[in-house]
Amino acid sequence: AQSVTQPDIHITVSEGASLELRCNYSYGATPYLFWYVQSPGQGLQLLLKYFSGDTLVQGIKGFEAEFKRSQSSFNLRKPSVHWSDAAEYFCAVGAQSNFGNEKLTFGTGTRLTIIP
Amino acid sequence: KAGVTQTPRYLIKTRGQQVTLSCSPISGHRSVSWYQQTPGQGLQFLFEYFSETQRNKGNFPGRFSGRQFSNSRSEMNVSTLELGDSALYLCASRLAIQETQYFGPGTRLLVL
Repeated sequence: AQSVTQPDIHITVSEGASLELRCNYSYGATPYLFWYVQSPGQGLQLLLKYFSGDTLVQGIKGFEAEFKRSQSSFNLRKPSVHWSDAAEYFCAVGAQSNFGNEKLTFGTGTRLTIIP
Repeated sequence: KAGVTQTPRYLIKTRGQQVTLSCSPISGHRSVSWYQQTPGQGLQFLFEYFSETQRNKGNFPGRFSGRQFSNSRSEMNVSTLELGDSALYLCASRLAIQETQYFGPGTRLLVL
């Protein structure tokens, strides 16, 4: 069965500093990979996704992620964070289930705090 | 296009009651998935419906059920509520299987 690990529960970054959120996945084949962001009390917003092709994926709000098959990783990066980036970030893998269809498995999330 | 909508947004119930949550997908989307989010267990997949048929199911007891209508709207029902069912229930829709899922704002359920 597929799984996703986000090793950092909480990260604090100064506004304007760079950011990297880690994500490692476990899946036997090439996965579909996603990063979602959730603001307090809100649903999930898709930041970016990787299905195939170029391993460096650009998303919304200036985020990017790089798929590294050899490391089973899909880390999220942003060169300069803004106070509005404070939220919870979820990495997810979409993989074939026993029912033959793809379902999402989420990591436990990383809460991002931005300090002035 | 309007996004995924969920009603109600907030709900308070007592143990033993049942509850029905509603989800309207993005226009044209035929797949609807439901997820439960709790602080302890995180985001867990409940089930997915496509063209009125349940296509995928997570590891939840039979008290959790759902259905999808011909207009792709979906409802989720939880019977005999337990305190542990308190959670944010998220609905997501997508155009087809293996397409990106788009999430609604969720329904926050509190069981007392």
